[in-house]
Amino acid sequence: AQSVTQLDSQVPVFEEAPVELRCNYSSSVSVYLFWYVQYPNQGLQLLLKYLSGSTLVESINGFEAEFNKSQTSFHLRKPSVHISDTAEYFCAVSLMNRDDKIIFGKGTRLHILP
Amino acid sequence: EPEVTQTPSHQVTQMGQEVILRCVPISNHLYFYWYRQILGQKVEFLVSFYNNEISEKSEIFDDQFSVERPDGSNFTLKIRSTKLEDSAMYFCASKKGGTGPGYTFGSGTRLTVV
Repeated sequence: AQSVTQLDSQVPVFEEAPVELRCNYSSSVSVYLFWYVQYPNQGLQLLLKYLSGSTLVESINGFEAEFNKSQTSFHLRKPSVHISDTAEYFCAVSLMNRDDKIIFGKGTRLHILP
Repeated sequence: EPEVTQTPSHQVTQMGQEVILRCVPISNHLYFYWYRQILGQKVEFLVSFYNNEISEKSEIFDDQFSVERPDGSNFTLKIRSTKLEDSAMYFCASKKGGTGPGYTFGSGTRLTVV
């Protein structure tokens, strides 16, 4: 079975400082990897995904994540956060099957300090 | 951009009542899912649906739950006799199918059982 671990339930960071949200996964087979973002009182939005190819993937709003197979990690980073990045961030995996479900981590709440 | 639409956005119901949560997936998508998120907890898989039948369900999805695609456009989740612990945000998702993921989530329905 697959599982996702997000060790940090909350990460406070000052505005314009860099941030890293950690994600580790466990799977005996290859998986797709995702980061979803949930802004306050809103639904889930896909932030970025790794399917294959380059291990570094980027989003349109400055986030990036790097797939590290040996460490089974998919950490999310941003070099300079903005107050608008305040949200809950969920790391997730799915099997490389056509209809497989997504398995989510517990989420990390990113709290931007002024 | 096509969206997954969920109605209502918030529903309050009395314990023991039946509720139906509605979702309109993206029109050319073939795979459908329900997830739930109890307040402050992670997003959990409930059920996947393909070709007019359940393809997988979690242990949460007991006999109180059922899903249906009654008219080729709507995808519904019914909870037969709600319990207090059913209070959660329920997310619908759909996927076109074929190789590679491409899940789109709705904005969710917040169910409050009183």
